[in-house]
Amino acid sequence: ETGVTQTPRHLVMGMTNKKSLKCEQHLGHNAMYWYKQSAKKPLELMFVYSLEERVENNSVPSRFSPECPNSSHLFLHLHTLQPEDSALYLCASSQGGDGTGELFFGEGSRLTVL
Amino acid sequence: AQSVTQLGSHVSVSEGALVLLRCNYSSSVPPYLFWYVQYPNQGLQLLLKYTSAATLVKGINGFEAEFKKSETSFHLTKPSAHMSDAAEYFCAVSVSGGYQKVTFGTGTKLQVIP
Repeated sequence: ETGVTQTPRHLVMGMTNKKSLKCEQHLGHNAMYWYKQSAKKPLELMFVYSLEERVENNSVPSRFSPECPNSSHLFLHLHTLQPEDSALYLCASSQGGDGTGELFFGEGSRLTVL
Repeated sequence: AQSVTQLGSHVSVSEGALVLLRCNYSSSVPPYLFWYVQYPNQGLQLLLKYTSAATLVKGINGFEAEFKKSETSFHLTKPSAHMSDAAEYFCAVSVSGGYQKVTFGTGTKLQVIP
């Protein structure tokens, strides 16, 4: 495995379900990110973990709960979601923090909330 | 705070024609600027970046962008469009801050007409 891997690629869930999205990076990076991509809206940064500490939470509703057990893995736990939460959820990783670094993205998890 | 504005959510060009995708930025500090590309059903990948070295930056797949401070612009160009260039392109601005603090534009979908 290389790069950033996200599973599952597609997920359909009801509003009362609990599910999780998983992200794994094989790049040795020290920061991991969750982004939400909805149609006709800019990518929304949801959470950032740097050195396994959460450093950013952009006013994300509590029905989204991130977890970073180590520097290579990132989870997004989902519960009691709303239909408007349907989107593509992208995980990314990076190294360093001087602003010049590249974000490496996974292929995304397409979430549909019924 | 930083932001980017991409003019035109959809751009259509003929195969072999010039590609020009526009991006203007706003930043309170010297910015680092990026162009990412997203092919269908994939995550974003870096095309090129400006980090205060040469103002004309060359990227992958024949794309280049020029940083113009006086115009606060970072437009993406390619002399001759290829069918494989059909994708969505995102301009982004980043500042330092312990991790990569990246703000994305709303994206421009490029259609290449045979």
